[in-house]
Amino acid sequence: AQKVTQAQTEISVVEKEDVTLDCVYETRDTTYYLFWYKQPPSGELVFLIRRNSFDEQNEISGRYSWNFQKSTSSFNFTITASQVVDSAVYFCARAGTYKYIFGTGTRLKVLA
Amino acid sequence: NAGVTQTPKFQVLKTGQSMTLQCAQDMNHNSMYWYRQDPGMGLRLIYYSASEGTTDKGEVPNGYNVSRLNKREFSLRLESAAPSQTSVYFCASSVEFQGNQPQHFGDGTRLSIL
Repeated sequence: AQKVTQAQTEISVVEKEDVTLDCVYETRDTTYYLFWYKQPPSGELVFLIRRNSFDEQNEISGRYSWNFQKSTSSFNFTITASQVVDSAVYFCARAGTYKYIFGTGTRLKVLA
Repeated sequence: NAGVTQTPKFQVLKTGQSMTLQCAQDMNHNSMYWYRQDPGMGLRLIYYSASEGTTDKGEVPNGYNVSRLNKREFSLRLESAAPSQTSVYFCASSVEFQGNQPQHFGDGTRLSIL
């Protein structure tokens, strides 16, 4: 199976610290898509970002940034100046032509 | 602006009982999905419906059946519940059945089988 690995099960940081969530994927596809979703304590999953395999440009959205490196099959997510509201489980996912494969998630705890 | 609505939010069943989880989306999406979320396992696809009138097995279909009732609604049925089916179940939808499509999720159904 073409896995998505989120090796960090749980991370705790103090508010205002920067934190990076790692995601490493396996794929034999030439064209594929990578996603990050956030699952806050309320339980729903919220779409954050999508990248396609042909676009390795890093992306920044406010305090969030994503680093996509095909050479290392990684799609890491950095939160700058973390806030308590960032506390959630974050899932990385990869999709080929059709279906998603999700990672096991990283639980981020931001302490006040 | 409901998005994807799942009912019920919580349910406790006894082993052997049957139950249907309901899901409806109001975004006019063609594709719908059922996932289960277990600790340390991430989300695993149970069944999906690429378009109205079609359904297919995902990664973990055993013990489940689905019905795509119409474009809006996609239900998941447990015919004879087992403790191994204790999980949080998520319904999702996307515009089309393509890997580049973000999926929109419901709030989940927390199901316990005793």
